[in-house]
Amino acid sequence: QLQLQESGPGLVRPSETLSLTCTVSGGSISSSGYYWGWIRQPPGKGLEWVGSIYSSGNTYYNPSLKSRVTISADTSKNQFSLKLTSVTAADTAVYYCVRHPRGEAFDYWGQGTLVTVSS
Amino acid sequence: EIVLTQSPGTLSLSPGERATLSCRASQTVSSSNLAWYLQKPGQAPRLLIHGASSRATGIPDRFSGSGSGTDFTLTISRLEPEDFAVYYCQQYGSLWTFGQGTKVEI
Repeated sequence: QLQLQESGPGLVRPSETLSLTCTVSGGSISSSGYYWGWIRQPPGKGLEWVGSIYSSGNTYYNPSLKSRVTISADTSKNQFSLKLTSVTAADTAVYYCVRHPRGEAFDYWGQGTLVTVSS
Repeated sequence: EIVLTQSPGTLSLSPGERATLSCRASQTVSSSNLAWYLQKPGQAPRLLIHGASSRATGIPDRFSGSGSGTDFTLTISRLEPEDFAVYYCQQYGSLWTFGQGTKVEI
């Protein structure tokens, strides 16, 4: 059974960089045909796709966040990571990592981790 | 960017009743690349429907999806107590975007 687990600081200062890691177990992030992505949800609000990395290493980002987002993968650790620079209070959210097969919906989700941006 | 608009924002129903949720896209969603998710408080979303009308593994048949092009519908034939939650549509034909959600409340 595939499992995804987010980890990282729960509190980030304004203007700093938010860094999260998703550890995948029960499957390999190197497997062909899969994207590994990040979704966020501000408290009490809806879901927003942040970005995804394909098994080939190609990355895709939400146009509204593209200038601040980097997603990378470490196949040796079976992990992928999110970096979001110059954060503000508007970046406070629960961040989920997800798997989505090519041409398919998001079928596996992590439990989510709350990141608060505050001084 | 494809914008998805869900309606209504909130649906107030009783157990046993039928729920009909709508999702309208600003552009045609290619190949019916439209999914529905259910989210309960404090939990991650769960995939219900993909390909506009295919139920995900383990999803009961009281959930059904329909539609194509720009208009899609999720129907819950008889609401069970565990179905009261927030539902999101999502398109995955052109990058990935979500609707704003419909809350189904008792």
